[in-house]
Amino acid sequence: QVQLVESGGDLVKPGGSLRLSCAASGFTFSDSYMSWIRQAPGKGLEWVVYISNSGTTIDYADSVKGRFTISRDNAKKSLYLQMNSLRVEDTAVYYCARGGYYNFDHWGQGTLVTVSS
Amino acid sequence: QSVLTQPPSVSAAPGQKVLISCSGSSSNVGSYSVSWYRQLPGTAPKLIIYDNNKRPSGIPDRFSGSKSGTSATLAITGLQTGDEAEYYCATWDSSLSAWVFGGGTDLTVL
Repeated sequence: QVQLVESGGDLVKPGGSLRLSCAASGFTFSDSYMSWIRQAPGKGLEWVVYISNSGTTIDYADSVKGRFTISRDNAKKSLYLQMNSLRVEDTAVYYCARGGYYNFDHWGQGTLVTVSS
Repeated sequence: QSVLTQPPSVSAAPGQKVLISCSGSSSNVGSYSVSWYRQLPGTAPKLIIYDNNKRPSGIPDRFSGSKSGTSATLAITGLQTGDEAEYYCATWDSSLSAWVFGGGTDLTVL
């Protein structure tokens, strides 16, 4: 069965950096678009970024453009999100999700990123 | 404010039917397929409707979706207490070049 397991969430100071990882299993990772979606405490869902199966097509939400970088390693079946210049408003649970072209059909359990001084 | 507008909350009695609306514009709902997600408290969202009206394997036929113009609707029949959750609609927005979600609807089964 499809499994997505995020890791890397932590408490970080404003202006700091963090790298999230998502380990995928149970499907052909190299055939799948992948996305990061976040949810601030008590708030709704906000799409962050998607990457095509080959990694050649990437699109970011304006709120993170220039600060966050998505990447993938198809050999390792892993997805990454490098987050720089973190702001308090980036505090959220970050979900790794399969999809981003038509829909998001499987989600990980999420990893919490807290940006606070 | 979310690009897609959903009612903040809806409620109905067990066994009844509820409709959750998702209103957008020509650059999103009017042009692209809508998907719906259910988020039980403390858990990750789960896809329950895709391509406006298709159900993934394992989703009961009590859940159905429809779309007309710039609005989409999720219908849930035979409500159960286990259906209490937050429901979100989502689609692509060509003006924003971004995926957009509705603000979410909190379903209470009285």
